[in-house]
Amino acid sequence: DAKTTQPTSMDCAEGRAANLPCNHSTISGNEYVYWYRQIHSQGPQYIIHGLKNNETNEMASLIITEDRKSSTLILPHATLRDTAVYYCIAFSWGKLQFGAGTQVVVTP
Amino acid sequence: SAVISQKPSRDICQRGTSLTIQCQVDSQVTMMFWYRQQPGQSLTLIATANQGSEATYESGFVIDKFPISRPNLTFSTLTVSNMSPEDSSIYLCSVQGGTDTQYFGPGTRLTVL
Repeated sequence: DAKTTQPTSMDCAEGRAANLPCNHSTISGNEYVYWYRQIHSQGPQYIIHGLKNNETNEMASLIITEDRKSSTLILPHATLRDTAVYYCIAFSWGKLQFGAGTQVVVTP
Repeated sequence: SAVISQKPSRDICQRGTSLTIQCQVDSQVTMMFWYRQQPGQSLTLIATANQGSEATYESGFVIDKFPISRPNLTFSTLTVSNMSPEDSSIYLCSVQGGTDTQYFGPGTRLTVL
């Protein structure tokens, strides 16, 4: 599975959109981009995933560049409950490889 | 998405003892996984548990230390054997759903004294 690179941390103001970048320059054609988040020692929560096209669900939007070397997770209206570690994972089948993720802190 | 429960949610154990963690899913799944998350670290895969076959362990993890059972399509156990303080971690199970998405249980927080 391809390695992903994320910023260590970022802050976001409550009510504003949070844009979380992820680089995956070695991603292969059959690997999806998955996003999970982990809120303080709870089990990771699935957010969204995509292959080529942009995706949106009730939690977030995923924007994948045309060359698939990077992506952005967008939380449209961040709330305090969105404070968590966000993981971007390039995944095709079987085992998920978690990196260090991005610690997102939403402030009032 | 699958609903996953784990027992116990937390435990404090003495060095040299063993603890068995249970993972129960509300639907039948083929693939189940066990992860460890050491304090302040990210998740590391311990093993993949498929029903009807032996678990497949990742590098650095061995069956004698982390025996796994998978008696049916909705249940699995992970035993942490002969524990030491270095085994203090959160242990998580996950299942792979129909769309290849993995869903995680709430975790078991283990402290070894």
